[in-house]
Amino acid sequence: ILNVEQSPQSLHVQEGDSTNFTCSFPSSNFYALHWYRWETAKSPEALFVMTLNGDEKKKGRISATLNTKEGYSYLYIKGSQPEDSATYLCASGNQAGTALIFGKGTTLSVSS
Amino acid sequence: NAGVTQTPKFRVLKTGQSMTLLCAQDMNHEYMYWYRQDPGMGLRLIHYSVGEGTTAKGEVPDGYNVSRLKKQNFLLGLESAAPSQTSVYFCASSDPAPRNQPQHFGDGTRLSIL
Repeated sequence: ILNVEQSPQSLHVQEGDSTNFTCSFPSSNFYALHWYRWETAKSPEALFVMTLNGDEKKKGRISATLNTKEGYSYLYIKGSQPEDSATYLCASGNQAGTALIFGKGTTLSVSS
Repeated sequence: NAGVTQTPKFRVLKTGQSMTLLCAQDMNHEYMYWYRQDPGMGLRLIHYSVGEGTTAKGEVPDGYNVSRLKKQNFLLGLESAAPSQTSVYFCASSDPAPRNQPQHFGDGTRLSIL
């Protein structure tokens, strides 16, 4: 069973601050790394899926990087807004490519 | 545009009762998954299916059974509910190439076992 770790567990920032979170995963048998945004009382929504070492993805003010050799991914949010408040989940796929193991998430709170 | 639909949304059971949670997707996805979400534990995979008629165990399969008789439906059954199965259950589906494709989630089923 893969062990996917996320840090920090929670984070509180002011509107306009930039922030980043870390996801670490076993580098052996890497298949894919997913990031999801999960708002309270809603279902997780996909942000990025990354598969290649060195991948960088961007969606608006949110971006992510991937290092499969050392087993980590960073999620960056530039100029945080209150609507960015959510739990951010990362998940790593195993060699079979059919199941994801999720980290426990980083909960971001942005104050205006 | 329904996506992934879970029924029911809420349910309260007594210990020992049985029930089935239904997940339906209209995106023609091959892969479907059942997760449970507990405080401080994140999402944990219960069972998954890579196609009609096939199922496989995930991280926490004990106490649950699943069936995928039709491609669009994935059923999660609790034969004899226990208080430890109180949780929020999420179903998800994805395209045949999960390496490149994200999972699409339903809105969840909140289940309480008394």
